[in-house]
Amino acid sequence: GAVVSQHPSRVICKSGTSVKIECRSLDFQATTMFWYRQFPKQSLMLMATSNEGSKATYEQGVEKDKFLINHASLTLSTLTVTSAHPEDSSFYICSALRDRWRAEAFFGQGTRLTVV
Amino acid sequence: EDQVTQSPEALRLQEGESSSLNCSYTVSGLRGLFWYRQDPGKGPEFLFTLYSAGEEKEKERLKATLTKKESFLHITAPKPEDSATYLCAVQGSGSQGNLIFGKGTKLSVKP
Repeated sequence: GAVVSQHPSRVICKSGTSVKIECRSLDFQATTMFWYRQFPKQSLMLMATSNEGSKATYEQGVEKDKFLINHASLTLSTLTVTSAHPEDSSFYICSALRDRWRAEAFFGQGTRLTVV
Repeated sequence: EDQVTQSPEALRLQEGESSSLNCSYTVSGLRGLFWYRQDPGKGPEFLFTLYSAGEEKEKERLKATLTKKESFLHITAPKPEDSATYLCAVQGSGSQGNLIFGKGTKLSVKP
């Protein structure tokens, strides 16, 4: 299967600071990447869709000024959580679309963010 | 609205005890139904994609089937290493490629 690398896997930050999470597709080009958030014992919830070279599309209720997404190349998308607060603590997972028409999506390892 | 419901929420099996996990879905124009395995603290690991009713796919002890309303993940003679949360997701024709996930079934296999 295709490989998607997400970094870091775990981060602890102080309230009010910003944290950047990287998502890379290692062996394929991904024009579209997705960012999900997962709370304990809950489903993955889509936060935003990231398209290379254009602005991200955010789901309803997701603050675009708090969760900055940049998709600068066909293999890299970043999610920056700005001015993080304890309620932003969660498990963030990225996904890269290898083939849109065959719906082949592969996931990164996830990032556990803890804001103290 | 696209929706995915998985049952049961949790399933405990003895090693070798076969069973099935259910995924019921409603979607406008199914482009694909996905099964993933997720271990604690990890991202989902791709298992199968099913595209049309009647399709079946197998991988080791797992077999996925699809009808127009639901999918089953059959686990034959499971082993403790099969313990994980199994996620079902759908992609509809109106999406940009994103997936709608169910809450998952947490499977525990005891030796």
